[in-house]
Amino acid sequence: GPKVLQIPSHQIIDMGQMVTLNCDPVSNHLYFYWYKQILGQQMEFLVNFYNGKVMEKSKLFKDQFSVERPDGSYFTLKIQPTALEDSAVYFCASSLAWGPNQDTQYFGPGTRLLVL
Amino acid sequence: AQKVIQVWSTTSRQEGEKLTLDCSYKTSQVLYHLFWYKHLLSGEMVLLIRQMPSTIAIERSGRYSVVFQKSRKSISLVISTLQPDDSGKYFCALWELKNTNTGKLTFGDGTVLTVKP
Repeated sequence: GPKVLQIPSHQIIDMGQMVTLNCDPVSNHLYFYWYKQILGQQMEFLVNFYNGKVMEKSKLFKDQFSVERPDGSYFTLKIQPTALEDSAVYFCASSLAWGPNQDTQYFGPGTRLLVL
Repeated sequence: AQKVIQVWSTTSRQEGEKLTLDCSYKTSQVLYHLFWYKHLLSGEMVLLIRQMPSTIAIERSGRYSVVFQKSRKSISLVISTLQPDDSGKYFCALWELKNTNTGKLTFGDGTVLTVKP
């Protein structure tokens, strides 16, 4: 099936530093998502992104978070500065469409972020 | 309150058995889709089944099926003839069509399945 790649698979950083999580979505997909899963908890929606804009974000998407996809390259999630509670697995997903014809979201393997 | 509920957090079965994983959901929307994903040990999230209002798409054919009871807001994943490779974490997810729809999925807590040879 369609593959979403995420780089890196693991990241350890000190609190207060900046981190960028990279996602290589399915090549013809237009809609991109980030989800966050704290250890032992549910996977929760963070944000979705289309045509260069954030379409919806949850309360978990703090001001320190930002997303972009410059020139069709990686879809990135940047956290600046990081906090201890940002430690989690971050999953990227992409889909061809949304709305009434909502297309399936395909997920990457996740980036495990540990903030010390 | 949780919108997608998977009662079992873990379960274990023997190879060759049949397993039903339950999922219930809460929604007031008329149009919604339901998904079953499998989270592999490698980290990959694999789509198994997508249940739409009147159709179903089985992404991984073979031993997967669902029991969809719309009036009870329940969708169960059935895996027949379990194999050790079926071990992993299974997530149920809900997508709802709202005025501000943007494709957000709401996940259950997941069920970890261990299949013993």
